[in-house]
Amino acid sequence: GAVVSQHPSRVICKSGTSVKIECRSLDFQATTMFWYRQFPKQSLMLMATSNEGSKATYEQGVEKDKFLINHASLTLSTLTVTSAHPEDSSFYICSARGGASVYEQYFGPGTRLTVT
Amino acid sequence: GQNIDQPTEMTATEGAIVQINCTYQTSGFNGLFWYQQHAGEAPTFLSYNVLDGLEEKGRFSSFLSRSKGYSYLLLKELQMKDSASYLCASDTGGFKTIFGAGTRLFVKA
Repeated sequence: GAVVSQHPSRVICKSGTSVKIECRSLDFQATTMFWYRQFPKQSLMLMATSNEGSKATYEQGVEKDKFLINHASLTLSTLTVTSAHPEDSSFYICSARGGASVYEQYFGPGTRLTVT
Repeated sequence: GQNIDQPTEMTATEGAIVQINCTYQTSGFNGLFWYQQHAGEAPTFLSYNVLDGLEEKGRFSSFLSRSKGYSYLLLKELQMKDSASYLCASDTGGFKTIFGAGTRLFVKA
């Protein structure tokens, strides 16, 4: 149980285009979902926290107009990188809370974004 | 401020024991996570310590001292597949988790 999926796993896009990444909790209702980005050999950096039906809470330094987050249902959150630039190339990981364990976060497999 | 320190890299031999240390200083603290992350993959949960002391779970054990802001992950009977990054993370409350940069463990034959 407590499986989180992400789609796509890899995406390559051209500079200036937008990319949408989906995060789904497959067998539980995720009351809270998190979006992280990770650069090579670095830590996971929390970008934003989203609760179903409400606006996401963004971390300091994260542009909310550039990284659009929609938590439309208890099983789906999406991250849209708008007008992508090469510096947005990174590993994006979502996680979800709300399974049987109160504290545990269940991570998706991640999405490797490359902007050319 | 938020600060989590752990060694960048460690090397150990197959069958041996290795201890990965972590010190943390975060505004708010509910508990301490350890995650394992293989290259190019998402982290997988290993442990969550709330109370002081050692918690054992098979080959992996995790220790916490809240007064010292210190934790360690102990891996016994190392296997080649244990080569990965190990992330220490502070549960700061409000569902917010702060991650350390991770310790890359290399297990050699």
